[in-house]
Amino acid sequence: LAKTTQPISMDSYEGQEVNITCSHNNIATNDYITWYQQFPSQGPRFIIQGYKTKVTNEVASLFIPADRKSSTLSLPRVSLSDTAVYYCLVGDMKRTGGFKTIFGAGTRLFVKA
Amino acid sequence: DAGVTQSPTHLIKTRGQQVTLRCSPKSGHDTVSWYQQALGQGPQFIFQYYEEEERQRGNFPDRFSGHQFPNYSSELNVNALLLGDSALYLCASSWGQRSELDYGYTFGSGTRLTVV
Repeated sequence: LAKTTQPISMDSYEGQEVNITCSHNNIATNDYITWYQQFPSQGPRFIIQGYKTKVTNEVASLFIPADRKSSTLSLPRVSLSDTAVYYCLVGDMKRTGGFKTIFGAGTRLFVKA
Repeated sequence: DAGVTQSPTHLIKTRGQQVTLRCSPKSGHDTVSWYQQALGQGPQFIFQYYEEEERQRGNFPDRFSGHQFPNYSSELNVNALLLGDSALYLCASSWGQRSELDYGYTFGSGTRLTVV
């Protein structure tokens, strides 16, 4: 499983765009990149997943360069309710027969008014 | 469509006791994974069950065991509780046979276990 490195914490203000970058130098060919959001005393919530280039959904965008050694989660116009911990995970999500998802320490995003 | 349901939500146990936590997966999901999350840390993978068998295990002692039932629900058992077992225990469900449509895990809200 590829190890990931993220900033420990980030601060932002309401209305700003937030970009959280994750490094995964040892990503394998079959690995996908997945981001989760977690609020206190709740389970993580799936945000977005991608393999290469750019993926966008109603919540966020995920940018993955050609070498796939890093990825950037982009949250447009954050609000106070986006204050949470964000986890970057890398793994072979399409392989059947058993796999385990490994969480790192995550990035604590604090959005200020 | 119900998501992942865990019970109980909170639990207080005494050191040395045994505890059983329960999880019902999201409708349509057949794989259940269990995680332990200590305060201020990321979730740590305990094990995963598919087709009623443990198919992956993290770095946890044999005091941690589990079971999956034919209806895909699952139990996590912890024997000889230690103070360090105090944590939020999360259950996540997924579909074992992956498709293009659903890669993410669905997590429950967890069971807060306090060992005193």
